[in-house]
Amino acid sequence: QKEVEQDPGPLSVPEGAIVSLNCTYSNSAFQYFMWYRQYSRKGPELLMYTYSSGNKEDGRFTAQVDKSSKYISLFIRDSQPSDSATYLCAMSASFQKLVFGTGTRLLVSP
Amino acid sequence: DTAVSQTPKYLVTQMGNDKSIKCEQNLGHDTMYWYKQDSKKFLKIMFSYNNKELIINETVPNRFSPKSPDKAHLNLHINSLELGDSAVYFCASSLGGMTVRAFFGQGTRLTVV
Repeated sequence: QKEVEQDPGPLSVPEGAIVSLNCTYSNSAFQYFMWYRQYSRKGPELLMYTYSSGNKEDGRFTAQVDKSSKYISLFIRDSQPSDSATYLCAMSASFQKLVFGTGTRLLVSP
Repeated sequence: DTAVSQTPKYLVTQMGNDKSIKCEQNLGHDTMYWYKQDSKKFLKIMFSYNNKELIINETVPNRFSPKSPDKAHLNLHINSLELGDSAVYFCASSLGGMTVRAFFGQGTRLTVV
């Protein structure tokens, strides 16, 4: 079993839809939770970063962490075609290496 | 002005060859990383250097040798390349070992034929 599980998709939605991306994990030592966005043939770029449990909002993006369920989510409101990319969740214990999920490919059609 | 830059962007080479990938960051970060992304997009850390000192060395074949001449540079040398080494290699950097805010380069797509 991988430390971090993520549905690879692809997830196809129409423009304007609310998108929900999720990851589960097994290591209870993880405290830092990140979402990276990766466009085709580009490097990952950090979207959201959350420490411990709770919600964090940044524009159209909301990150949620439920440590009791070992489950994290990224919501994208009013999705745009420019949101089409692979979304990677990542997490780490304090000052330790990042462990990534396999990424979910999102396709937003106009 | 590119924050984390890697060269070359593409590398096609034959099995058995030796090749190097270079990485430079101009963010003033003190920690740099090499990640490997396989064909299924799985991203896994290989090495990490903090102030030129190796701090993370995952289970990577000895054919892979990182070198950090200074805080702003981290190179990756690969000996005796194998077909299974084909992947995209990403360099990243962060401040104070805080991998949570790592900035990634554009990647080097290595194809071994």
